[in-house]
Amino acid sequence: TQLLEQSPQFLSIQEGENLTVYCNSSSVFSSLQWYRQEPGEGPVLLVTVVTGGEVKKLKRLTFQFGDARKDSSLHITAAQPGDTGLYLCAGAEDYKLSFGAGTTVTVRA
Amino acid sequence: SAVISQKPSRDICQRGTSLTIQCQVDSQVTMMFWYRQQPGQSLTLIATANQGSEATYESGFVIDKFPISRPNLTFSTLTVSNMSPEDSSIYLCSVEGGVDSQETQYFGPGTRLLVL
Repeated sequence: TQLLEQSPQFLSIQEGENLTVYCNSSSVFSSLQWYRQEPGEGPVLLVTVVTGGEVKKLKRLTFQFGDARKDSSLHITAAQPGDTGLYLCAGAEDYKLSFGAGTTVTVRA
Repeated sequence: SAVISQKPSRDICQRGTSLTIQCQVDSQVTMMFWYRQQPGQSLTLIATANQGSEATYESGFVIDKFPISRPNLTFSTLTVSNMSPEDSSIYLCSVEGGVDSQETQYFGPGTRLLVL
């Protein structure tokens, strides 16, 4: 099993602030995915990144895949209370996903 | 993306009993997956279930404890056998996103299991 490390584990910010979550591994993945999970629900896919150096934007969310395809980051601009949740990164290899431990983000109104 | 439902959504069970969790998808998919999410933890893959073949289990998970069925391309079941309190978790099924999906998976809402 390939290990993915996420940091920070917890993040609490005020509405309107920016935040960045990191996902790092010593292994190369064929793709990397970011999910958000809210209490009582399953993870919801935010984005899949495939190409080293790739940057994808989804409204206020910016995702970056490292050049070596071992690490990724999620940046949220002007966070809102609706962004609150558990953010999970997952590396894919042969269709199997290895998940990071997750980052719990709380955005205070 | 596929629409996935799970039954039951939650259950409270006595130790020593078994529970079968159902996963239904609204479209045909080749690969289905079962994950466990222990309290406050991330997701761990239990097994991959492909129609027409035996499920493939990950290290630490065995068929006797977690038998899986995959009778067709839209349905799968996971049974948690001879339960103990350590089996209290959220159990999630997921499906692969299809051709050109870049190994993306879509998840069901989960089954919350409490074993007393």
